[in-house]
Amino acid sequence: AQSVAQPEDQVNVAEGNPLTVKCTYSVSGNPYLFWYVQYPNRGLQFLLKYITGDNLVKGSYGFEAEFNKSQTSFHLKKPSALVSDSALYFCAVRDGGKLIFGQGTELSVKP
Amino acid sequence: ETGVTQSPTHLIKTRGQQVTLRCSSQSGHNTVSWYQQALGQGPQFIFQYYREEENGRGNFPPRFSGLQFPNYSSELNVNALELNDSALYLCASSLARGSDTGELFFGEGSRLTVL
Repeated sequence: AQSVAQPEDQVNVAEGNPLTVKCTYSVSGNPYLFWYVQYPNRGLQFLLKYITGDNLVKGSYGFEAEFNKSQTSFHLKKPSALVSDSALYFCAVRDGGKLIFGQGTELSVKP
Repeated sequence: ETGVTQSPTHLIKTRGQQVTLRCSSQSGHNTVSWYQQALGQGPQFIFQYYREEENGRGNFPPRFSGLQFPNYSSELNVNALELNDSALYLCASSLARGSDTGELFFGEGSRLTVL
């Protein structure tokens, strides 16, 4: 069965510092991987996806993610964090027509 | 803004009651999926509708049911509400069943509280 895991419930970074939100996956076959962001009391917003091709995927709001097949990871990164990046981040893997989400990582960026 | 709209945004029900949640998909999208997001959890897949037919179901009991209409809008119905049905219910639309992009476009959700 397809699954993803987000090992950190919370990540704290200072504004201007680089940030990483971790995700590992377990799939049979080639993975289709996604990152979504959720602001308080809002729905999920798509950030980026990996289907095939370059291991470094660029997405919305300056975010990028690195696909690493040997480590079965798909970590979300941003070179310089903003306070407005504070939100809940979900990694997901496609399983047929549906997405399977991780538990989420709360990112807190302090000024 | 994704163009996916859900109603109502908030509602409170009591145990045993029934609820209907509604979703209008993004223009041009013919597939609608419903997810349940309990507090502190990631969204869990309930079911998906494609061209008015159920196309895949997660691990939810039959009292969770749905419909999709010819205009691709959708309803989620939950009967005999239980306390642990309290959650944010998310609707997501996409261009096609199992589309190659896999990208889903989510609405803002309906927050259901069961007392």
